[in-house]
Amino acid sequence: DTGVSQDPRHKITKRGQNVTFRCDPISEHNRLYWYRQTLGQGPEFLTYFQNEAQLEKSRLLSDRFSAERPKGSFSTLEIQRTEQGDSAMYLCASSLVNDRKNYGYTFGSGTRLTVV
Amino acid sequence: AQSVTQLGSHVSVSEGALVLLRCNYSSSVPPYLFWYVQYPNQGLQLLLKYTSAATLVKGINGFEAEFKKSETSFHLTKPSAHMSDAAEYFCAVSRTGTASKLTFGTGTRLQVTL
Repeated sequence: DTGVSQDPRHKITKRGQNVTFRCDPISEHNRLYWYRQTLGQGPEFLTYFQNEAQLEKSRLLSDRFSAERPKGSFSTLEIQRTEQGDSAMYLCASSLVNDRKNYGYTFGSGTRLTVV
Repeated sequence: AQSVTQLGSHVSVSEGALVLLRCNYSSSVPPYLFWYVQYPNQGLQLLLKYTSAATLVKGINGFEAEFKKSETSFHLTKPSAHMSDAAEYFCAVSRTGTASKLTFGTGTRLQVTL
């Protein structure tokens, strides 16, 4: 078990460019979450998946944001036409949920996006 | 809607002193409550969680928290601070279970001085 992996750790991009982040959850975990954390704030929920199904999206997730989890394993978060306000740490977390128990979250180390 | 309020964005204690980080919650249903720690440029690590069992919850690294329904509080304490405890601490609440969407507070930065 290598934990939740996020790639890249850091990304600097010019305003207007598209960026894509990847998250590899713990292999047996069926839920995957994306959060955004801006400087000096707590993480804010963006979206989550149960296997490959995207079950909830926050109003924070504008039309420029899209997330996928095509085979119920890794997930990608894409931001199109980046804006300076998108600069933040993007955190991924995974968890195992079954009929018997909820096992809680494991967070990755995050991808820090800087839009210049 | 659920929310948490963390009182004090910065707390400074001497090494060996008591650590007290405050968290008050608002929830229309019995909440699940969490404390997470975040070190610089890292993700979040779970310290402890309250899931409607014992009201006094013990976590990792010597931390504990007590759920007080009458005060809608879930304060985090540690009897004796260590330099390695310096970090950002987040209180969080979820509605329906430990793997549900979390709503975080704004965080408290703990500084430990010699």
